[in-house]
Amino acid sequence: NAGVTQTPKFRVLKTGQSMTLLCAQDMNHEYMYWYRQDPGMGLRLIHYSVGEGTTAKGEVPDGYNVSRLKKQNFLLGLESAAPSQTSVYFCASNRGRQETQYFGPGTRLLVL
Amino acid sequence: AQSVTQPDIHITVSEGASLELRCNYSYGATPYLFWYVQSPGQGLQLLLKYFSGDTLVQGIKGFEAEFKRSQSSFNLRKPSVHWSDAAEYFCAVGSSGNTGKLIFGQGTTLQVKP
Repeated sequence: NAGVTQTPKFRVLKTGQSMTLLCAQDMNHEYMYWYRQDPGMGLRLIHYSVGEGTTAKGEVPDGYNVSRLKKQNFLLGLESAAPSQTSVYFCASNRGRQETQYFGPGTRLLVL
Repeated sequence: AQSVTQPDIHITVSEGASLELRCNYSYGATPYLFWYVQSPGQGLQLLLKYFSGDTLVQGIKGFEAEFKRSQSSFNLRKPSVHWSDAAEYFCAVGSSGNTGKLIFGQGTTLQVKP
């Protein structure tokens, strides 16, 4: 039981490049989330999903897209990376409302 | 709007001393409250949570938190801090609706002096 895993762990991009971050969970959780963490700002929700095939915007969705084609996977895409997207990205999942969110180890992204 | 405030950005305590990290929330109904800990370079780990019932909640690693509705607070405490407790601590409140979303505070960094 690996829990929540994230791929890659670290990535450097040039401005304008695109990439996809992969989150996978093996706990059969319905709900999945993407956060970004920046110094002094805590974690801010980018997008989330309450079930396979559904996605919704969070607090800071601009510049990102997501897809949830399979229940266990939640992909975060950056179509045209900007330096402002330099951050640490965390994926999390849970069984539903009121339930504990379980976090992945994070992806550190640097956009030059 | 729902929000969480952690008034202390950085706290330094001596090893063996007691610890209290403050958390204040804004939420209209009965909140679901969480404390997470993040060690350097790691993801977030749940310390404890409050949903209902006893307002004093016990968690892992010897931590506890007390929910005080009248003060809109959910402060985290530990009677004797260990060097391994040095980390960043986040308070969070579950948002309304059926999304399971969490709203996080800004975090408090704990430094432990030997």
